[in-house]
Amino acid sequence: GAGVSQSPSNKVTEKGKDVELRCDPISGHTALYWYRQSLGQGLEFLIYFQGNSAPDKSGLPSDRFSAERTGGSVSTLTIQRTQQEDSAVYLCASSFTGGRSYGYTFGSGTRLTVV
Amino acid sequence: GDSVTQMEGPVTLSEEAFLTINCTYTATGYPSLFWYVQYPGEGLQLLLKATKADDKGSNKGFEATYRKETTSFHLEKGSVQVSDSAVYFCALSEETSGSRLTFGEGTQLTVNP
Repeated sequence: GAGVSQSPSNKVTEKGKDVELRCDPISGHTALYWYRQSLGQGLEFLIYFQGNSAPDKSGLPSDRFSAERTGGSVSTLTIQRTQQEDSAVYLCASSFTGGRSYGYTFGSGTRLTVV
Repeated sequence: GDSVTQMEGPVTLSEEAFLTINCTYTATGYPSLFWYVQYPGEGLQLLLKATKADDKGSNKGFEATYRKETTSFHLEKGSVQVSDSAVYFCALSEETSGSRLTFGEGTQLTVNP
């Protein structure tokens, strides 16, 4: 597609349930990033995939969070046993290799509400 | 580690006023610098970027110059419009951090007619 696509756009879940968030990056973009945007917390890096390299998971806040990227394209962010503090907008971005030169394209995000 | 500090908001201006949003950074190497904009209800959009010292990024009447000596990347616009109302994020990316973006806290801009 023309842009980064994220689904669902909104997700309401009960505390303790697992959720999966999906990101379809721009075709040909080798790098994919997940960020979290919370009220009062700004934009927080979660995880970074680059080609076939091992992902940089240094931003994941706990072991309840995991992500995978299949076939170098679509990525899924999974949050297990959701907590209320997980409520946020989860943003995905993709770029060509060397995104720091070309810039990063963001999706519209998934707004997660844990009740 | 890398960090970005933005001018605290919110900022409220009248249409056609001059805008400056300050941004300073801390980095270990030579980062690329970005301004992103988030319009109400939308995702982040790249506004402009600069990849080396003294570069000027510009787009839609906005400008920012990469100042290595003051580690700054202030955003300016000579005459703002109501449609510029949005949240503006300054960010940096370093190769040493895997090219991921480190963001400032964001500055809410409201332009009144």
